[in-house]
Amino acid sequence: DSGVTQTPKHLITATGQRVTLRCSPRSGDLSVYWYQQSLDQGLQFLIHYYNGEERAKGNILERFSAQQFPDLHSELNLSSLELGDSALYFCASSVGPSEKLFFGSGTQLSVL
Amino acid sequence: AQSVAQPEDQVNVAEGNPLTVKCTYSVSGNPYLFWYVQYPNRGLQFLLKYITGDNLVKGSYGFEAEFNKSQTSFHLKKPSALVSDSALYFCAVRDIAGASKIIFGSGTRLSIRP
Repeated sequence: DSGVTQTPKHLITATGQRVTLRCSPRSGDLSVYWYQQSLDQGLQFLIHYYNGEERAKGNILERFSAQQFPDLHSELNLSSLELGDSALYFCASSVGPSEKLFFGSGTQLSVL
Repeated sequence: AQSVAQPEDQVNVAEGNPLTVKCTYSVSGNPYLFWYVQYPNRGLQFLLKYITGDNLVKGSYGFEAEFNKSQTSFHLKKPSALVSDSALYFCAVRDIAGASKIIFGSGTRLSIRP
């Protein structure tokens, strides 16, 4: 168990809908990273938050947004969902930028 | 912009033989380098990292990696492979001087045959 909790584990929804993925980092970790893993594109960096502030952005679509709350949990919001958004979404946390990432078990999103 | 490449989609090795999983990187400054392993239906798990110092880094489960600055490589190695090493391996890089994003390679599937 990595100590990073992601909910829900599975999510099935329809095109055009909006979903929220939740991540609770390890106790004491201030950094939260979001990644999208798909078969054809590997593990894609989406966004990084540190202590509530956005620190780096990857190729995150405008339909996607994220935030980190004062209690350090983070949410990834995906809207106007398309079939191509079907993927495994991982959250990871760390103490600092040179430290290892601890990954959650992921949220499997299926858009039908 | 930082990037990382894993040139092999799959590596096949016989149990007991040495294994190497290749990784090359590109950053504008000095890198932080990492290796992670992913087992089926699981999140990624940390194996080892290079920040500074000795070019040979030792990690979990008997794995090690060699940092080569001139070749911008960080290959993962193990002297004697086990069937249980079969998994998906990812190299990752962060540019110390750049933004705080950590970029992962496309992954290499390691298959160890008995």
